[in-house]
Amino acid sequence: EAGVTQFPSHSVIEKGQTVTLRCDPISGHDNLYWYRRVMGKEIKFLLHFVKESKQDESGMPNNRFLAERTGGTYSTLKVQPAELEDSGVYFCASSPRTSVGYGYTFGSGTRLTVV
Amino acid sequence: GDSVTQMEGPVTLSEEAFLTINCTYTATGYPSLFWYVQYPGEGLQLLLKATKADDKGSNKGFEATYRKETTSFHLEKGSVQVSDSAVYFCALSRNAGNMLTFGGGTRLMVKP
Repeated sequence: EAGVTQFPSHSVIEKGQTVTLRCDPISGHDNLYWYRRVMGKEIKFLLHFVKESKQDESGMPNNRFLAERTGGTYSTLKVQPAELEDSGVYFCASSPRTSVGYGYTFGSGTRLTVV
Repeated sequence: GDSVTQMEGPVTLSEEAFLTINCTYTATGYPSLFWYVQYPGEGLQLLLKATKADDKGSNKGFEATYRKETTSFHLEKGSVQVSDSAVYFCALSRNAGNMLTFGGGTRLMVKP
């Protein structure tokens, strides 16, 4: 089966611009997660979708970040306007189950650089 | 809140050396524990996991035992290879949504 696909793999934008990241989960996986790793720090949870609904968005840093999951398939994460501190690697992951302890599959990530 | 602490890297070893990467956690209740690995240019891959105390997770020669008394989940391998060079992340999940809390990652470099 195809894995979790993210694009673009890299994005360099200027401060104040808008960027949209996309994630295509494994087909049939209802659970979709976004995480990010800011340079030199831990990977941090951003939010969790179950199908098209936001189950938990407690990790979203502020209202410049908007995540959507159209029809419960792919998801987008928009940053508008981007700030320097948004630079980092954004990971998407999907899972068929929500059970605690169930490992999920990550994409390769999008490296975002805001200059 | 929940947290995971792992040894800072980089860890540099010669091929066939013994590997230990320490991981300790703070969490209420009984979290599940994971090791993820990120090879160069790739995404995070689940390496192994343990869901209850005294469980041992193992995969590809790597092992880790869930120690509730010391709140630890140290990663070990008896003989590392150059192909094991990667960044290793310890993580836990506890809540109903299976959200992961990660440690800072440890870069392992294995030299021939």
